[in-house]
Amino acid sequence: DAKTTQPPSMDCAEGRAANLPCNHSTISGNEYVYWYRQIHSQGPQYIIHGLKNNETNEMASLIITEDRKSSTLILPHATLRDTAVYYCIVRAPNFGNEKLTFGTGTRLTIIP
Amino acid sequence: GAGVSQSPSNKVTEKGKDVELRCDPISGHTALYWYRQRLGQGLEFLIYFQGNSAPDKSGLPSDRFSAERTGESVSTLTIQRTQQEDSAVYLCASSLGGQSNQPQHFGDGTRLSIL
Repeated sequence: DAKTTQPPSMDCAEGRAANLPCNHSTISGNEYVYWYRQIHSQGPQYIIHGLKNNETNEMASLIITEDRKSSTLILPHATLRDTAVYYCIVRAPNFGNEKLTFGTGTRLTIIP
Repeated sequence: GAGVSQSPSNKVTEKGKDVELRCDPISGHTALYWYRQRLGQGLEFLIYFQGNSAPDKSGLPSDRFSAERTGESVSTLTIQRTQQEDSAVYLCASSLGGQSNQPQHFGDGTRLSIL
């Protein structure tokens, strides 16, 4: 799986949009970009994933650049409950390699 | 709907005892994964099930660790003769299939403490 690079930490004011960047410059054409988050003492929570097109669901939006070398997760109206570590993962479609590998992620702190 | 359920949520046991951890995946999910997360560290893959078969056991750290899955549903992870280094949160995840376009959904884990 391609390696990802994320800033170690970010702050965002409550009610504002939180934009979390991720670089994955070595991504292959068939690799998906996934975002998870982990709130203290809980299991990782799936947020969103995409291949080429931008995606939106009830939690967030995922913007993938045209060359697919980077992406941004957008939480449109951040709340205090969004404080967590956010992980960007690139996942290849290889049977026998289904496990997720989490990097160090971005620790997002929502400021009241 | 119901998510991945793990039990117990916490387990404290003495060194040398055997422990059994349970995972109930989301109904209909054929793929099931076990991970371990030590304090302040990332996820460590343990084992993957597709149906009741385990095509990838590469992450099991020693022969003290074993896992099984029955009825393409419940899975149990067993640790024999526990050691202090086994202390961690054990996480289970399930997905609709094993493909990379199917997200894995996690339970909240079992926090295992070995005294």
